[in-house]
Amino acid sequence: DADVTQTPRNRITKTGKRIMLECSQTKGHDRMYWYRQDPGLGLRLIYYSFDVKDINKGEISDGYSVSRQAQAKFSLSLESAIPNQTALYFCATEDNSNGYTFGSGTRLTVV
Amino acid sequence: GNSVTQMEGPVTLSEEAFLTINCTYTATGYPSLFWYVQYPGEGLQLLLKATKADDKGSNKGFEATYRKETTSFHLEKGSVQVSDSAVYFCALSPTYNQGGKLIFGQGTELSVKP
Repeated sequence: DADVTQTPRNRITKTGKRIMLECSQTKGHDRMYWYRQDPGLGLRLIYYSFDVKDINKGEISDGYSVSRQAQAKFSLSLESAIPNQTALYFCATEDNSNGYTFGSGTRLTVV
Repeated sequence: GNSVTQMEGPVTLSEEAFLTINCTYTATGYPSLFWYVQYPGEGLQLLLKATKADDKGSNKGFEATYRKETTSFHLEKGSVQVSDSAVYFCALSPTYNQGGKLIFGQGTELSVKP
């Protein structure tokens, strides 16, 4: 199994729908992150969490929410999806020794 | 604030050519600097890093030197291969090893032709 697993890998949804992207990790890291990738913009931070009770907004949190259900799980929700949320979404974990480990990404299309 | 600027792509090279991808940064304090690589259909993988001025990171034939005086961290490789085709991201962490958000450049796509 991959160290950081994202589900689904691909998703097409309609405008206005609620959607959840899931991330689970087997690395035992406390710190977890959600980024989105857009062509020409690199990766931008949406939310991050340093432990189960800690949730912090990143630079582009509007329209998103997160839940840290356990150390191993960090899910990202779009309450009412809109077309400009079409992007590639990455979950990552981090620790002091090994730095970041990224999942393989979820490609989300909002039509 | 903190920011990273990379040279725009795409960059197209022939096999065995010399590669340079420019990266400059703006940061307060003493950030750590990284290069990540993203192969098609995959997540990002750490390629190399440097945590203080004048450090040189290296991996798989790639090198980058942390230049505080020019606020740069250019990626170089002496002889690229087709398998190096990927998107390369320069990034900085203002607070490495303390729980750090990464700030990314926009990415540079490299295509290496046989």
